[in-house]
Amino acid sequence: DGGITQSPKYLFRKEGQNVTLSCEQNLNHDAMYWYRQDPGQGLRLIYYSQIVNDFQKGDIAEGYSVSREKKESFPLTVTSAQKNPTAFYLCASRGQVRKTQYFGPGTRLLVL
Amino acid sequence: GIQVEQSPPDLILQEGANSTLRCNFSDSVNNLQWFHQNPWGQLINLFYIPSGTKQNGRLSATTVATERYSLLYISSSQTTDSGVYFCAVGNFGNEKLTFGTGTRLTIIP
Repeated sequence: DGGITQSPKYLFRKEGQNVTLSCEQNLNHDAMYWYRQDPGQGLRLIYYSQIVNDFQKGDIAEGYSVSREKKESFPLTVTSAQKNPTAFYLCASRGQVRKTQYFGPGTRLLVL
Repeated sequence: GIQVEQSPPDLILQEGANSTLRCNFSDSVNNLQWFHQNPWGQLINLFYIPSGTKQNGRLSATTVATERYSLLYISSSQTTDSGVYFCAVGNFGNEKLTFGTGTRLTIIP
């Protein structure tokens, strides 16, 4: 089945630790996105990539980093510089012709 | 940046009722999408509707781009319609979407 997968479903981070969230898609989409959602809030854009080996900062990129070495994969690293990382992280992708965004199931990150 | 406001923030209805959710935006857009987030967090795209009217079963949406608003109609509500409904918009030449804060819909059996 075509779709977007995110792993892990839950992730625990210790103080000072970097953690990486995985996002993989087999929809052959060019564009991929990372969003952060805090309780009771909408989604805020962290980073996005329109093509392999290229990505742009979104509205809240500080404390995060990404890479786009393959079309299918867009991992997000939450660095120790992100002081309030507890949130629900959602990955999405979009095809070249249709502008509809499709979302993965999300990763919940908690700080110990 | 573009501002997106959704109303009402919360809506509680009896099963079988109809509802209208509204999305206002502050600038011209060429991309407008409605999403449903279920209680487990999964977002499902309902409509891509930068202008005009679309229908899909019990759901329909209308966007009046010149007046900068969109409406989502849900008829004959079912408990599975519960969740949060988000409107998201994008400007011309911009690949990003800006999300509203959502309308939380609760359908009571």
